[in-house]
Amino acid sequence: SQQGEEDPQALSIQEGENATMNCSYKTSINNLQWYRQNSGRGLVHLILIRSNEREKHSGRLRVTLDTSKKSSSLLITASRAADTASYFCFQETSGSRLTFGEGTQLTVNP
Amino acid sequence: EAGVAQSPRYKIIEKRQSVAFWCNPISGHATLYWYQQILGQGPKLLIQFQNNGVVDDSQLPKDRFSAERLKGVDSTLKIQPAKLEDSAVYLCASSLQPLGETQYFGPGTRLLVL
Repeated sequence: SQQGEEDPQALSIQEGENATMNCSYKTSINNLQWYRQNSGRGLVHLILIRSNEREKHSGRLRVTLDTSKKSSSLLITASRAADTASYFCFQETSGSRLTFGEGTQLTVNP
Repeated sequence: EAGVAQSPRYKIIEKRQSVAFWCNPISGHATLYWYQQILGQGPKLLIQFQNNGVVDDSQLPKDRFSAERLKGVDSTLKIQPAKLEDSAVYLCASSLQPLGETQYFGPGTRLLVL
């Protein structure tokens, strides 16, 4: 069974714009993480937010978590062409199940 | 610090053949994961090891897939016999501990079953 969903499936923006991706989940979580995957390569960890946290920042990344709505958002500010990649949310449920979402394909046009 | 190593990087086999993938995690990482990523989808956890014990293999198709981590370091994932739907990228990852930790991924093995 699928733990969560991401939207949009695909997002195309111009360099310098902000990009927002959303992740929803069904059961309670211990933490939620975001990963980036460049075409044909392995995943790279971006940020981890725990269930008792509401917002975290890392450079141009901002992640929010709303446990009442069972959702998280990843905001990339001032996007660059190098940000073009697939972005996945990853949930560790309270039952210790580990699940990736289906991903958002972000394209940043120069 | 060396990253997670995987081999081979690419493999093409015919259906019903067998294939094995190898993973060497980051030194000192107790937890090792194998994921299957079908084109256009997110990675799906196949099996999670803590040292040389299995934590979760609920999504591993045990009739054809097997995995081991005998000495708690390297791991191998085997498929026997392979089916067309096994075509995917097989990702290995490791972390210091099983929960609440960053996972570090290898480059993956791209498998094509003809």
